[in-house]
Amino acid sequence: GNSVTQMEGPVTLSEEAFLTINCTYTATGYPSLFWYVQYPGEGLQLLLKATKADDKGSNKGFEATYRKETTSFHLEKGSVQVSDSAVYFCALSAYNQGGKLIFGQGTELSVKP
Amino acid sequence: SAVISQKPSRDICQRGTSLTIQCQVDSQVTMMFWYRQQPGQSLTLIATANQGSEATYESGFVIDKFPISRPNLTFSTLTVSNMSPEDSSIYLCSVDGSSNEQFFGPGTRLTVL
Repeated sequence: GNSVTQMEGPVTLSEEAFLTINCTYTATGYPSLFWYVQYPGEGLQLLLKATKADDKGSNKGFEATYRKETTSFHLEKGSVQVSDSAVYFCALSAYNQGGKLIFGQGTELSVKP
Repeated sequence: SAVISQKPSRDICQRGTSLTIQCQVDSQVTMMFWYRQQPGQSLTLIATANQGSEATYESGFVIDKFPISRPNLTFSTLTVSNMSPEDSSIYLCSVDGSSNEQFFGPGTRLTVL
């Protein structure tokens, strides 16, 4: 079946450090891939997306590239800020699954000044 | 992206009672989804609600426990029935976007005593 696996957290970084959060997926066909962010006490916000192989999604300094050969969609940011502290979820929407999203377990990021 | 509101934002309820959560969207949408996020966990889809038809429930969720209404293209309700402490979670509604993404409401934080 379809599934998403993220690196376990929590991840603790110093401000201005480089961030990578790994995400791999299993799916039939060609899913769409997403990163969502959940700030403390809030709902989920769409951070970025990619709908086909080799697409790069980007937003607010975050990037992720859809790698079909490695079935991965790793999230990166060159210089994190304290305000980036949140939980990050990788998700996929598989073809012919009625539009539902399948989420990874989430990775908590804590950025220290 | 759609603007989504939920009511109530939080509630504390006694076991054995029921709570109805409302989800309002600022534009007409085809599909609405209800998710549960248990403490410290990822999101699990409860059901998909389409206007004019019965909701489609995921494995492990049943209509008697989580009845859903979808009276029009901008509104849906989820009821959590006969609650127990295990139902303490964040309940989120979402709507579909143009590229298989979903946009989420702020969530309803439910505590059952």
